[in-house]
Amino acid sequence: GESVGLHLPTLSVQEGDNSIINCAYSNSASDYFIWYKQESGKGPQFIIDIRSNMDKRQGQRVTVLLNKTVKHLSLQIAATQPGDSAVYFCAETSASGGSYIPTFGRGTSLIVHP
Amino acid sequence: EADIYQTPRYLVIGTGKKITLECSQTMGHDKMYWYQQDPGMELHLIHYSYGVNSTEKGDLSSESTVSRIRTEHFPLTLESARPSHTSQYLCASSPQGRAKNIQYFGAGTRLSVL
Repeated sequence: GESVGLHLPTLSVQEGDNSIINCAYSNSASDYFIWYKQESGKGPQFIIDIRSNMDKRQGQRVTVLLNKTVKHLSLQIAATQPGDSAVYFCAETSASGGSYIPTFGRGTSLIVHP
Repeated sequence: EADIYQTPRYLVIGTGKKITLECSQTMGHDKMYWYQQDPGMELHLIHYSYGVNSTEKGDLSSESTVSRIRTEHFPLTLESARPSHTSQYLCASSPQGRAKNIQYFGAGTRLSVL
């Protein structure tokens, strides 16, 4: 029988370039948005988060931008390195009931060519 | 590096077997979670716990059960494994306070049911 697979969105960049990974979210009541990095054979690892009352937050080589008008989140990685190659997930959480149970989006595979 | 451990890392079993996936964390986190993840795909929440003697079902019904008798231990049991259970299982924990929206993940258990 025929099978249909979902292909993981992929971003290919050259070492040293800047990378931008995008994410659309649906819950306008989310309080926090988080980016995770998942390397092959490992669990996701926290990179950076942003509170819903902010529109930009910077970390070491990473910047997260939040556009609540269009429900869009992006992760910018400066001077991308081969070690940045991984699958990146965005997640949103809400303080509803104090739970902060996150909802994860589909990942984006970042491939960095040396 | 997060102090959360999952065993076994890989498991191949036959249909109908009962299995328990182990997860332990040494960070004293109250909240713990189990996710199911197909390769490169989003994480689906199976179960979570707010603390000792607390267990809740997530969005994905995977015919599994969990227990939380001790803060540090959150095992996941499949009473009768089926090929549809073939996947990666990720355990996570999160603290209280400022970092309550951040999850720390184990390396995962990759399960194959024949």
